[in-house]
Amino acid sequence: GDSVTQMEGPVTLSEEAFLTINCTYTATGYPSLFWYVQYPGEGLQLLLKATKADDKGSNKGFEATYRKETTSFHLEKGSVQVSDSAVYFCALIASSGSARQLTFGSGTQLTVLP
Amino acid sequence: DAGVIQSPRHEVTEMGQEVTLRCKPISGHNSLFWYRQTMMRGLELLIYFNNNVPIDDSGMPEDRFSAKMPNASFSTLKIQPSEPRDSAVYFCASSFADARGGEQFFGPGTRLTVL
Repeated sequence: GDSVTQMEGPVTLSEEAFLTINCTYTATGYPSLFWYVQYPGEGLQLLLKATKADDKGSNKGFEATYRKETTSFHLEKGSVQVSDSAVYFCALIASSGSARQLTFGSGTQLTVLP
Repeated sequence: DAGVIQSPRHEVTEMGQEVTLRCKPISGHNSLFWYRQTMMRGLELLIYFNNNVPIDDSGMPEDRFSAKMPNASFSTLKIQPSEPRDSAVYFCASSFADARGGEQFFGPGTRLTVL
């Protein structure tokens, strides 16, 4: 079945550091890929998405590129801020069938120190 | 748009009591999802509906859990009787299932504590 594997946390960085959170997936066909973010005490929010190979999703300085050849969707940000401290989830939706459910990774806790 | 609305935001109850969680999806969305989040198990899909019909309830932990969606604008998740191990944050999410990409919009969650 479909699965998502993401980098284990927690990740602690200093402000303005470069961030990479790795995400790889297993799925048939061409799934859609997502990064969701969960701030403390809140629900999940969509951060960015990509629906086909080589697409780059971007939002709030975060980027991720859909790499079909490596089945990856790594999240990057060039300069993190304290306000980026949150849990980040990589997820996919399968391209076939009527099911439109998300398959989530386990989440990566990011803490950014001032 | 008000987004996905969940109530209550917090619920504290005693073991054995019935608990009902409520969700109002975004207007126009045709899929609704119930998730549970705990430190130990992370984010788990419990059940999801498409056009008010339950499609997959394989994530529902046991018969004490039940979910209904009587119409397109309302869903409930009921636990009867509740147990301490049900303590978690329960999220409802909705989406428009036909869209490529199928972005899900999450509610703020209900934090349930069973004593």
